[in-house]
This record gives sequence, structure tokens and C-alpha cells, in this order.
Amino acid sequence: ETGVTQSPTHLIKTRGQQVTLRCSSQSGHNTVSWYQQALGQGPQFIFQYYREEENGRGNFPPRFSGLQFPNYSSELNVNALELDDSALYLCASSSGTGLYEQYFGPGTRLTVT
Amino acid sequence: QKEVEQNSGPLSVPEGAIASLNCTYSDRGSQSFFWYRQYSGKSPELIMSIYSNGDQEDGRFTAQLNKASQYVSLLIRDSQPSDSATYLCAVNANSGYALNFGKGTSLLVTP
Repeated sequence: ETGVTQSPTHLIKTRGQQVTLRCSSQSGHNTVSWYQQALGQGPQFIFQYYREEENGRGNFPPRFSGLQFPNYSSELNVNALELDDSALYLCASSSGTGLYEQYFGPGTRLTVT
Repeated sequence: QKEVEQNSGPLSVPEGAIASLNCTYSDRGSQSFFWYRQYSGKSPELIMSIYSNGDQEDGRFTAQLNKASQYVSLLIRDSQPSDSATYLCAVNANSGYALNFGKGTSLLVTP
């Protein structure tokens, strides 16, 4: 069974740039959720994708957007990067929405300078 | 009021002791509760899930849930230095799809 994978591992961007992060869900999982984890904080929910549709969204501005593909992999796009976007971005996959267990990938560390 | 609250710690216990980690939540409609372990610089790893009142045991780990008191706890028996990590409590939001996390409790197990 293949676990959740994310790419890239680390990324350094300049304020105002755009970034795309990628996630492949665990085998058999059809739901992907994205979280942002700032240093010393718990993960904060960004949004969830189920069957290629956004299924729910946290308190993040529209410059955070995403996609899910037919193979259930997903992308997180962030436009107009700000310094406060520097964080660990986590992708979690689950076998459905709602009460299912979510399993995290290794994360992408984004630094905005 | 924060939705999920945990003591940030650090909680220090000697090797072989029982570590007790606590979490309170504000949303009475929450139905699923999870404990994740996160080593420094790594991503969260799911270690326990609990859905109904009472205890759920898995090896050295026991999760306890009291919905009336809106309280979840994690007990780690025979604590090992390798258990030293941050433990995150996560509660499903009333919407059902998002997990709300506490800030985590740092646990240090000393040899």
C-alpha cells in the first residue's frame, strides 16, 4: 500500500510569486484535505477535495486554490505569496469525507522571503 | 474561545511511567476524535481514533473520551524516550469534513 506523497519537500519563493504544491493520495483514498501548519501551531484546515470538487473550505483567502484530478491526486496553488504564508503545508488523504481517519503526507516546507 | 485546547507543555515524565495528555473541545456536535504524534520537523502521524464515550486501547496507548465533559485524553503506558514528540488532538468539525487541531502538547520522556 502506497502512502501519501507530496512534492516538493522544500521550496523558497519571493513575496508576490505563485506556488503549486502537489499531493498523491494513499491507495484506495478518494478524498484529499490540505492544511497549513505554522511553527508552534496545530495544522489549520485550508480545504478538502472529494471527487474532484471542493467539499469544504477553512478561513483562507481566495488566493489559496486547489484541484483534484481523476486519480485523486491534488494540487494546492497559492497566488501573490505573502511572508505569513511561510509554513509547512500538509496534505491528508482519507477514504471519504466526514468522520474518516485522515493520513498525512510528509509535507512541503514553504519559505517566503 | 479556541475550539480545541491542549496544554502546550512541555510534559516531562521518566522512562517507564505513564504519560497523560489532555484535550478539551468546544463543539458539542463533534463525533470523531483523533490523536496524532508529530516529531520535530516531521508530519503528524495518526496514533489513535475514538468515536464513542469510554476507552479505546491500542498497545501502550489508550484514548479516553467523555462527550458530556467535552474531554479527550491520551494515556501512554511504559513511556519510552522514543515517545518524546508533540501530541496533537484533532476533533472533526460539525461540518464533518475538517479536522480542528489543538496546538499540541510537547512530551519529553527522560531516561
